[in-house]
Amino acid sequence: AQSVAQPEDQVNVAEGNPLTVKCTYSVSGNPYLFWYVQYPNRGLQFLLKYITGDNLVKGSYGFEAEFNKSQTSFHLKKPSALVSDSALYFCAVRDIEDSNYQLIWGAGTKLIIKP
Amino acid sequence: DTEVTQTPKHLVMGMTNKKSLKCEQHMGHRAMYWYKQKAKKPPELMFVYSYEKLSINESVPSRFSPECPNSSLLNLHLHALQPEDSALYLCASSQEGQGAYEQYFGPGTRLTVT
Repeated sequence: AQSVAQPEDQVNVAEGNPLTVKCTYSVSGNPYLFWYVQYPNRGLQFLLKYITGDNLVKGSYGFEAEFNKSQTSFHLKKPSALVSDSALYFCAVRDIEDSNYQLIWGAGTKLIIKP
Repeated sequence: DTEVTQTPKHLVMGMTNKKSLKCEQHMGHRAMYWYKQKAKKPPELMFVYSYEKLSINESVPSRFSPECPNSSLLNLHLHALQPEDSALYLCASSQEGQGAYEQYFGPGTRLTVT
């Protein structure tokens, strides 16, 4: 069965410190991987994706993620956290063989950046 | 431009009302989606349209009725809803090709059923 795990419900980081939000996945074929962010009472914003090519992908607002095929992981990282990064983060995966365009979502991780 | 627009932003309706949610994108995307999201949970897929044809209906109750009038517009018609249908309803679109498989979401409609 296809699934996405975000093992931490909440991550607390001090402003200026590096942050990591973890994501592991399970799909039957090769994955497309995505990170989205949701601010309170807002829709989801696309942050970055891995489709093919370089395992390290860079996205919006200084975020990056590394695709690790052997560990089936796609952790989200940022070198220096800002208070404004505080939000709910979702990892999502799609099997490239899936012609129905369906995303499998993680449960979400609440990121809190403290001043 | 990666904007998906949704109207209205907020909607309060009684259980006997009929209302519609609207979604629009002008990015030339081939696929459009309706999701339902409860607070602090991931979005739940309801419907997928591909090339203006319904391709997925995720066992959604018939009180929700989607419509895709053209490649840029998506509607969700609501009738005889239940209080448990109160949620944030999100529209999204994706290009589906040339490496562009990410979905772009609208700001959502906050629906309250009384």
